[in-house]
Amino acid sequence: QSALTQPASVSGSPGQSITISCTGTSSDIGGYNSISWYQQHPGKAPKLMIYDVSNRPSGVSNRFSGSKSGNTASLTISGLQAEDESDYYCGSYTSINTLVFGGGTKLTVL
Amino acid sequence: QVQLRESGPGLVKPSETLSLTCTVSGGSMSGYYWGWIRQPPGKGLEYIGYIYYSGNTNYNPSLKSRVTISIDTSKNQFSLRLTSVTAADTAVYYCARMVVTATWGFDYWGQGSLVAVSS
Repeated sequence: QSALTQPASVSGSPGQSITISCTGTSSDIGGYNSISWYQQHPGKAPKLMIYDVSNRPSGVSNRFSGSKSGNTASLTISGLQAEDESDYYCGSYTSINTLVFGGGTKLTVL
Repeated sequence: QVQLRESGPGLVKPSETLSLTCTVSGGSMSGYYWGWIRQPPGKGLEYIGYIYYSGNTNYNPSLKSRVTISIDTSKNQFSLRLTSVTAADTAVYYCARMVVTATWGFDYWGQGSLVAVSS
């Protein structure tokens, strides 16, 4: 199965909002709501930020939100902070009963 | 607080078998799915597979012929075996726990174990 498509990089200034897209097909993102987002700082393990399209685990800031439209999922970070600078990965369940990740997006806070 | 820790050799020879163990502390393994995910240096995440506490497994089709995941709840451990490794299997290997609602999101992760495949 092919990886989900994410932009290689996005950037924003402190206080702004940014959105990271994750595009798949009707066999993954478009067909299911088991979509998750991870934040990964250099040398660290991924951290779950969003699951089931838009649910936040306990302890994750409400500045992070998720949504889905058709075959594209999105992660929005509002009130951008320096600590948000990181790599972000999306993941989705697929019709062949497996999990596929996106290639990752590097977020730079200007 | 649930904690996971990977352990195993950091170097494996080509064509041999990679074996890693994940030890879970701070919580029970019952009722949860436990997974393995890897990340080649400088690259993205790749799902390897999961095992349910009862022993049911799911594997990435691209790795299925070489992967076995097993569990020992009495020791609070689950393990990964990957056979016939090549340089392409060089990666940081993470163990993780799936969200309790089994939605394919992983909420607790180990710190990762770098495994290099080289002669």
